[in-house]
Amino acid sequence: NAGVMQNPRHLVRRRGQEARLRCSPMKGHSHVYWYRQLPEEGLKFMVYLQKENIIDESGMPKERFSAEFPKEGPSILRIQQVVRGDSAAYFCASSPIIRGEDTEAFFGQGTRLTVV
Amino acid sequence: SQQGEEDPQALSIQEGENATMNCSYKTSINNLQWYRQNSGRGLVHLILIRSNEREKHSGRLRVTLDTSKKSSSLLITASRAADTASYFCASNWFSGGYNKLIFGAGTRLAVHP
Repeated sequence: NAGVMQNPRHLVRRRGQEARLRCSPMKGHSHVYWYRQLPEEGLKFMVYLQKENIIDESGMPKERFSAEFPKEGPSILRIQQVVRGDSAAYFCASSPIIRGEDTEAFFGQGTRLTVV
Repeated sequence: SQQGEEDPQALSIQEGENATMNCSYKTSINNLQWYRQNSGRGLVHLILIRSNEREKHSGRLRVTLDTSKKSSSLLITASRAADTASYFCASNWFSGGYNKLIFGAGTRLAVHP
């Protein structure tokens, strides 16, 4: 059972370009979370999705950022018109169908976005 | 901010010593989880402690939870150089039918041979 797969691992974009980050959850997992991590800092929650639904996007910047988790295919975090401040590591985590309190999240290796 | 806090921010010890990291959180939780992150890598789940538990052990790890103080601690006993990493606590809400993990800023642990 492959873990959470994120690609690309490293992404370099010029200011104003679009960045598209992909996350394939673990097999059987229907919940995906996206987090952003700045250097030497913790993970900041961005968005939580189930298949075809955005459940909680309270951590997403209001502009330029969007996320989707289609019925088929990976979850996508899209950043339009990137700026230098978007440079960070973006982590995806997945979890299985919620059964109660003891659900843990499984993390991917992250995508390191550098905006030049 | 929903973000919790961890202290110390950085900890440097010798192999064989114990390492203790503390975490505070701001909301009611269903459980609290600890994760480890090696430099430049993803997070690995270490241990989960439920809100109705006070202490939990897993190998060389010992976690305590004090819900009255909204705090938790992670103790790594007999540390090894391979324990060098960043450690994060994550408070877990279960509300509205889903879990939401809120992470602290982490403790960077360096274990010297």
